[in-house]
Amino acid sequence: DTAVSQTPKYLVTQMGNDKSIKCEQNLGHDTMYWYKQDSKKFLKIMFSYNNKELIINETVPNRFSPKSPDKAHLNLHINSLELGDSAVYFCASSSWGGGDTDTQYFGPGTRLTVL
Amino acid sequence: DAKTTQPPSMDCAEGRAANLPCNHSTISGNEYVYWYRQIHSQGPQYIIHGLKNNETNEMASLIITEDRKSSTLILPHATLRDTAVYYCIVPFNAGGTSYGKLTFGQGTILTVHP
Repeated sequence: DTAVSQTPKYLVTQMGNDKSIKCEQNLGHDTMYWYKQDSKKFLKIMFSYNNKELIINETVPNRFSPKSPDKAHLNLHINSLELGDSAVYFCASSSWGGGDTDTQYFGPGTRLTVL
Repeated sequence: DAKTTQPPSMDCAEGRAANLPCNHSTISGNEYVYWYRQIHSQGPQYIIHGLKNNETNEMASLIITEDRKSSTLILPHATLRDTAVYYCIVPFNAGGTSYGKLTFGQGTILTVHP
């Protein structure tokens, strides 16, 4: 069973389009995250949700809007895509509290290419 | 996050132990040391974490110096599949939690060769 899954795995789109990436975890965790890994391979946190409540919101353009319909899902919607949004996006999950929060389980990633 | 310093790359022969060092001289008393790795084209994978005592699990061992200013991740019998980027992370701890904000640096590229 896949613990943290993301769809789609690859996403190629034109500038200006709106797209969504979905993430689901079956680990029973209450906290989920979105990370971005750019072409230089730096991995940076974007958002985190705990029990559907936004906890971390890094300096990310408001074109990016996370949505958590329930504890097992955290989707990422991106409006008006730009060339600089091309990257690999990783979803992760963890339990909340103490050392568990930093023991995160990552999905396989979604490679977004904006043309 | 407490700043961590890792060598950019290391080599290891298959079957031998891989010892990956990390310096974290500004670590605070309640901050943990975490290790993750990222195999090419995959998501990061949690390996191990510790506070002050040495830790061991099925993947690796973590040795933390007594002053906690540095640590070493040990893969006892490295295989070709252990070739990856290894990240040493010390999450900032504010009032008992980091809120899950992991900061990944450049890590160490470990290459295991036959």
